[in-house]
Amino acid sequence: NAGVTQTPKFQVLKTGQSMTLQCAQDMNHNSMYWYRQDPGMGLRLIYYSASEGTTDKGEVPNGYNVSRLNKREFSLRLESAAPSQTSVYFCASCIRPYEQYFGPGTRLTVT
Amino acid sequence: ILNVEQSPQSLHVQEGDSTNFTCSFPSSNFYALHWYRWETAKSPEALFVMTLNGDEKKKGRISATLNTKEGYSYLYIKGSQPEDSATYLCASYFGNEKLTFGTGTRLTIIP
Repeated sequence: NAGVTQTPKFQVLKTGQSMTLQCAQDMNHNSMYWYRQDPGMGLRLIYYSASEGTTDKGEVPNGYNVSRLNKREFSLRLESAAPSQTSVYFCASCIRPYEQYFGPGTRLTVT
Repeated sequence: ILNVEQSPQSLHVQEGDSTNFTCSFPSSNFYALHWYRWETAKSPEALFVMTLNGDEKKKGRISATLNTKEGYSYLYIKGSQPEDSATYLCASYFGNEKLTFGTGTRLTIIP
């Protein structure tokens, strides 16, 4: 099993550009999550999906959209990137919400 | 607002010494607590999941205890080694489909 995979690993965008971060898991988990990690801020939840077909906002959803494409895949889209969205993005999945397993992260820089 | 707090924020420990740090959380509506080990430029790695008051878990030289009545968990590392250098993150689950993360304790082992 690959666990939770994320693509790309690194990305540089110009302000105003759009992009989609991809996440996939092969553990048959129901729930999937997107976090961002910024220095001194810990992990902050952007969006989550408790099951296929549902998505909900987390702590910092502004400027992002998500799609739960199927049970395996959960994508995060930045429609118009801003420098404040420079961060490391982690995807996670779980059967039980308190046992989340994380992907390797995507390091995004917006210039 | 559910706050999960970790102390200290950072810690330097001599190789071979033992150490411990704390995760505090609101005791009401508590379901579970998860400890992660997070190395720089990697993703959080699951250490322990604890749910019951008085739980004690152990993995090698690392152990954890849980007190749900007073709202804290301790993580202990016995005989610290350089490879223990990492950020140790705790996260609590309060039954709302989401984990609430602390900001972590950054541990540096001095050879």
